[in-house]
Parts: sequence; C-alpha cells; structure tokens
Amino acid sequence: AQSVTQPDIHITVSEGASLELRCNYSYGATPYLFWYVQSPGQGLQLLLKYFSGDTLVQGIKGFEAEFKRSQSSFNLRKPSVHWSDAAEYFCAVGTLGAGNQFYFGTGTSLTVIP
Amino acid sequence: DSGVTQTPKHLITATGQRVTLRCSPRSGDLSVYWYQQSLDQGLQFLIQYYNGEERAKGNILERFSAQQFPDLHSELNLSSLELGDSALYFCASSVVGNPYEQYFGPGTRLTVT
Repeated sequence: AQSVTQPDIHITVSEGASLELRCNYSYGATPYLFWYVQSPGQGLQLLLKYFSGDTLVQGIKGFEAEFKRSQSSFNLRKPSVHWSDAAEYFCAVGTLGAGNQFYFGTGTSLTVIP
Repeated sequence: DSGVTQTPKHLITATGQRVTLRCSPRSGDLSVYWYQQSLDQGLQFLIQYYNGEERAKGNILERFSAQQFPDLHSELNLSSLELGDSALYFCASSVVGNPYEQYFGPGTRLTVT
C-alpha cells in the first residue's frame, strides 16, 4: 500500500539557517511527489512537484527537493529560511491506476526563531 | 488566492444533523477533489469528480456524498454527523490534463457539538 512518512513532527530553525524536511514514501511504481505548505488558517499551496527527469526540482519561495529512488525519499530544502516560512509542510504521493489519489504525510510544523 | 472558493468558512452544527459544503473550482478546471483534515487522521483524500462524473474515491464514509454540477461547482454532503466528523474540509481543483497540480481552497471548518 502507498504511504508517506514525515518523520519530523516539528522542527525549529533560526532565521537565515538552512532547512531540510524529510519525506519517505512507499509505492511500487515511480511516484509522483509533491510538497505543499499550509500557513495557519489557510489552504494548501503547492511548493513543487516531481514527475520524472531531473531529480532535483526547484519550487516557489526558494525551495527545492531531491528525489532519491534508492532511499525512497523526497526531502525538501531551503538554503536560508525566512520568518515567513513558518508553516506546516506536507509531502504527498500521487498515484495512477484506480483513480488519481493523493496520499499525504502527517506534516512537519516549522517554527522559525529570530 | 488559489482561485478555488469554498463556502461557508465555518459551520457549527449538532450531532445527527446534515450539512452541505460548497466548492467552486478555478476557472477552466474540470476536476474537483475533496479532502478532510483532522488532528486524528491528518489530511485524507475523500473523493474526486471530473466534469460531473465521479473519478476516484478515497476514505469517504458512506454517510458522506458529493456531486459536481454542470457549472462545475461541487457540493459535499455530510449526514448523521458525529463528533468525530469535526474537521477542516478542503476542496481542490486541478489543471486540465494534470491531475496532480492541485490548487486548494481555504477550507470549511466544521464543528460538530
């Protein structure tokens, strides 16, 4: 069965520091992978996506993610975090086959300290 | 602003009642997805409609149903509500030809008392 694991429930970083949020997936075929961000009281916003090709994908707001098939991972990174990046981050896997289904991880809450 | 609208923003109702949540997709998008976000279950896919037809089903309870109308807006109907149905309900729409590029609405917060 498909699943997404975000092992870090909560992460705190200092403003200006680098960030890496972990995501591991379980899926039999090549997955479609996504990172979404949810600010308090808001809906989810797509940060970036991976379908195929270059395993390093660039997204909005200075985020990037790297697909590593051997590790079943799709970690999100940002070289320098801004206070406005404080939010909840969700990794998701999209599958084809029996409909287009999304499986979301449980999310990682990011706190940015000045 | 994603372009997806949802009404109402908040809804408070009692157990056993029935409510209807409404979603209007972005202009030009044919697919609508419904998600439930709760503290217990996280973010779960409920159901997808494409141009009026049900396309995919996730963890949707039998007490819940949805439909998509000819003008492409969608409604999620929740009946015989239980306390555990309290959650944020999101609607998303996707780009034509790309089901994974989804744009989420602001959500409806349902509180069942």
